[in-house]
Amino acid sequence: AAGVIQSPRHLIKEKRETATLKCYPIPRHDTVYWYQQGPGQDPQFLISFYEKMQSDKGSIPDRFSAQQFSDYHSELNMSSLELGDSALYFCASSLRLAPDTQYFGPGTRLTVL
Amino acid sequence: AQKVTQAQTEISVVEKEDVTLDCVYETRDTTYYLFWYKQPPSGELVFLIRRNSFDEQNEISGRYSWNFQKSTSSFNFTITASQVVDSAVYFCALGRRPNTGNQFYFGTGTSLTVIP
Repeated sequence: AAGVIQSPRHLIKEKRETATLKCYPIPRHDTVYWYQQGPGQDPQFLISFYEKMQSDKGSIPDRFSAQQFSDYHSELNMSSLELGDSALYFCASSLRLAPDTQYFGPGTRLTVL
Repeated sequence: AQKVTQAQTEISVVEKEDVTLDCVYETRDTTYYLFWYKQPPSGELVFLIRRNSFDEQNEISGRYSWNFQKSTSSFNFTITASQVVDSAVYFCALGRRPNTGNQFYFGTGTSLTVIP
């Protein structure tokens, strides 16, 4: 069965650079979620989208923005990167009315030097 | 507010021992979902189990078993006859019913090391 796809899997950036992470949800899933997991931390919810509209917002910094496109894929844009942004970024997808069936992608490991 | 507590930060056991990972949750919702995920060193989140708040039946899957008790707001996970491949960080998570904020709330994780 198709799973959530994230690209790239690994990304290395310098401070103050910009990064874009991509997420392709499971087919027919209408909701996408982004989570950030710092080293030794638990995943923290950043933001979610339903039908291309922002649905819920968590602890997402103002330097980050995200959107969901007409094909339901989502992109997380991160600007003015800081060392503290180094983390594993997970994307998950689900049907809006079945959030308990949220499936996680393999994650993108971002390293900021 | 939703909160998940995994009081055990790190656990070490010798191979073939049984080990129980504790999870205590807080929510005022009457409908909610509980999950366990395994995160090996490679980093991906491996789904283990999902339970909804109306189903307190305990579950066994091979060497894994789960004990859900609403009276104590606990959802504990036991690995029987542990193996080295069980070494990972295990997360307990809480999800809410649709349209109340669909994000998951994770505990801080328990790092399990199984010593050969």
